[in-house]
Amino acid sequence: DGGITQSPKYLFRKEGQNVTLSCEQNLNHDAMYWYRQDPGQGLRLIYYSQIVNDFQKGDIAEGYSVSREKKESFPLTVTSAQKNPTAFYLCASSTIGLAGNTGELFFGEGSRLTVL
Amino acid sequence: AQSVSQHNHHVILSEAASLELGCNYSYGGTVNLFWYVQYPGQHLQLLLKYFSGDPLVKGIKGFEAEFIKSKFSFNLRKPSVQWSDTAEYFCAVNTYTGTASKLTFGTGTRLQVTL
Repeated sequence: DGGITQSPKYLFRKEGQNVTLSCEQNLNHDAMYWYRQDPGQGLRLIYYSQIVNDFQKGDIAEGYSVSREKKESFPLTVTSAQKNPTAFYLCASSTIGLAGNTGELFFGEGSRLTVL
Repeated sequence: AQSVSQHNHHVILSEAASLELGCNYSYGGTVNLFWYVQYPGQHLQLLLKYFSGDPLVKGIKGFEAEFIKSKFSFNLRKPSVQWSDTAEYFCAVNTYTGTASKLTFGTGTRLQVTL
């Protein structure tokens, strides 16, 4: 089935450690996104990429890093510089319209990171 | 920068009541508008979207939304809610200029439907 796969589903880390969350899609979408979901704050954009080897900062990129070496993959690293890393992280992908507009986003099931 | 406001944070309705969830955005250019729903324990999924044409759009499960450009609004409605509509609802606005595209979400509205 086509879709977006995020792993791991749950992750615990100690303070000071970097962790990488995986996101893979087989929808042949050009654009991929990472959002952070916190209660009462909705979804906030961390990073996004509209083409391989290129990505842009979102609204809350500090303390995070990404790479886009393949169209299907967009891993997110939560670094030790991120002050409040405990959150639910969502990966999404979409097509890009002829006018440059973003199509419907398809979401993965999310990764819940807890910093101990 | 564009922003999306959902004024209702938590709504409690009885089954068969009518629903209207507000969504306002702050961008004067071209927009695409979306409502997403997150049922308990499930991933986010698209409820409906507006790109162009008829400003009244219909989505899945009897939901509809009306784009009112003059009011910068895209409110979600359903004439008669069911217990299974209990979920969190997110409005999202895509703004694009031909060179850049950005999707911004509102903070969400938690809908609780009681029997």
